[in-house]
Amino acid sequence: EPEVTQTPSHQVTQMGQEVILRCVPISNHLYFYWYRQILGQKVEFLVSFYNNEISEKSEIFDDQFSVERPDGSNFTLKIRSTKLEDSAMYFCASSEGWAQETQYFGPGTRLLVL
Amino acid sequence: TQLLEQSPQFLSIQEGENLTVYCNSSSVFSSLQWYRQEPGEGPVLLVTVVTGGEVKKLKRLTFQFGDARKDSSLHITAAQPGDTGLYLCAGITGNQFYFGTGTSLTVIP
Repeated sequence: EPEVTQTPSHQVTQMGQEVILRCVPISNHLYFYWYRQILGQKVEFLVSFYNNEISEKSEIFDDQFSVERPDGSNFTLKIRSTKLEDSAMYFCASSEGWAQETQYFGPGTRLLVL
Repeated sequence: TQLLEQSPQFLSIQEGENLTVYCNSSSVFSSLQWYRQEPGEGPVLLVTVVTGGEVKKLKRLTFQFGDARKDSSLHITAAQPGDTGLYLCAGITGNQFYFGTGTSLTVIP
């Protein structure tokens, strides 16, 4: 069964450094998403991406964040100048269609900012 | 910010018991989804409800969307240890998804 994959599974970085989280969505899916889940808290929507551009973003997704689909398979989340409060599990998801279509989540990348 | 409150936050029951988890908001959603999340994994979609008053059944799980599309419930009949996990509701409005605070369910054999 096709699945969303994410790399790395864990990342430790120093405050102020840039990190790039990578995702490979399911191949025939057209919509891609990033979420984050701070430890012990709820899952929070960050951004959705369709047709090579951002279709929606939350108030969390400020200028510190950017997304890119650099080739036909990868979908990346870049966090510039990381802060301690960026420590969280970051989930990528993809779906064939929008919203009510099933989103398939990846296993997540656990980011720790020291 | 749309707020989805789930209750209870934690629930521990014996195998075979029934339970209901609630997802409430003051906001109206175009649709609502229920997910289950295992530790260290991403959420897995269980169901999407779209119409106010809609009821969907998935084996022993029954999902209901409130008439006003502001709330939803998940009822599990004869819970089994395999039902243990974190249950999340997520409301969709506009182009954004809002996840609930989660209910952690433990079913004791």
